[in-house]
Amino acid sequence: AQSVTQPDIHITVSEGASLELRCNYSYGATPYLFWYVQSPGQGLQLLLKYFSGDTLVQGIKGFEAEFKRSQSSFNLRKPSVHWSDAAEYFCAVMEYGNKLVFGAGTILRVKS
Amino acid sequence: GAVVSQHPSWVICKSGTSVKIECRSLDFQATTMFWYRQFPKQSLMLMATSNEGSKATYEQGVEKDKFLINHASLTLSTLTVTSAHPEDSSFYICSARTRKVNHSPLHFGNGTRLTVT
Repeated sequence: AQSVTQPDIHITVSEGASLELRCNYSYGATPYLFWYVQSPGQGLQLLLKYFSGDTLVQGIKGFEAEFKRSQSSFNLRKPSVHWSDAAEYFCAVMEYGNKLVFGAGTILRVKS
Repeated sequence: GAVVSQHPSWVICKSGTSVKIECRSLDFQATTMFWYRQFPKQSLMLMATSNEGSKATYEQGVEKDKFLINHASLTLSTLTVTSAHPEDSSFYICSARTRKVNHSPLHFGNGTRLTVT
C-alpha cells in the first residue's frame, strides 16, 4: 500500500525566513503527488500538484515543490514565509481509484 | 475554480440520534466523491468512496451500516451518521472530482465538526 511520511510534526520559522516541509512517499509507479493546506476548522486547499514533466512545480501563494524520484521525496518550499502561512500542511499521494493517501501533516508556526 | 460546499459546518447532537451531512459540487459534475474523517491532531483517513448512481465502497474498518452514504446525483452526496455515539465525534470532510479531467485533483469541502453528547 502507498504511504506518505511527513517527518516533522511541528515547524516554527520566523516571518520572512525560508521554509521547507519534507515529504517522502512510498509508491511503486510514477506517483501523483499533492500538497494541501488546512487552516484550523477548515477544509483543505490545494497548493500544488505533480503529475509528470518538470520536477519543480509552482503552486499558489508562492509555494513550490520539487519531485525527486531518487529520494522518493516531494518537499514543499517557500522563499519567504508570511504570518498568514501558519497552518497545517498535508502531503498526499494519489493511488488507484483516485483515492488520496495523506501524510500525518506538519503544523507550521510563524513567529514575528 | 471548482467549489465544493459542505453543510452543516458544525453540528451537535445527542447520543443515539442520526445526523446527515451534505456535500455539493457547485460548479462541476462530481462523478466521484470521497468522505474523510479527521480526529484532532491527526491526518485525514478515507472512510468511503461514492460514485454517482452506485453503492459506496467503504474502507476496511468503516461500518457501512453506521455511515450511510448516498450519491444520488452528480452534484450531491450525503453522509448519514446513524445512532451517533460520542466516539463518532470528529471532523468529517468530503471531496469531489470530475471525470472530465483525468487524475484531476480533489476539491475539498470545508468540513463538518460533529460533536455527539
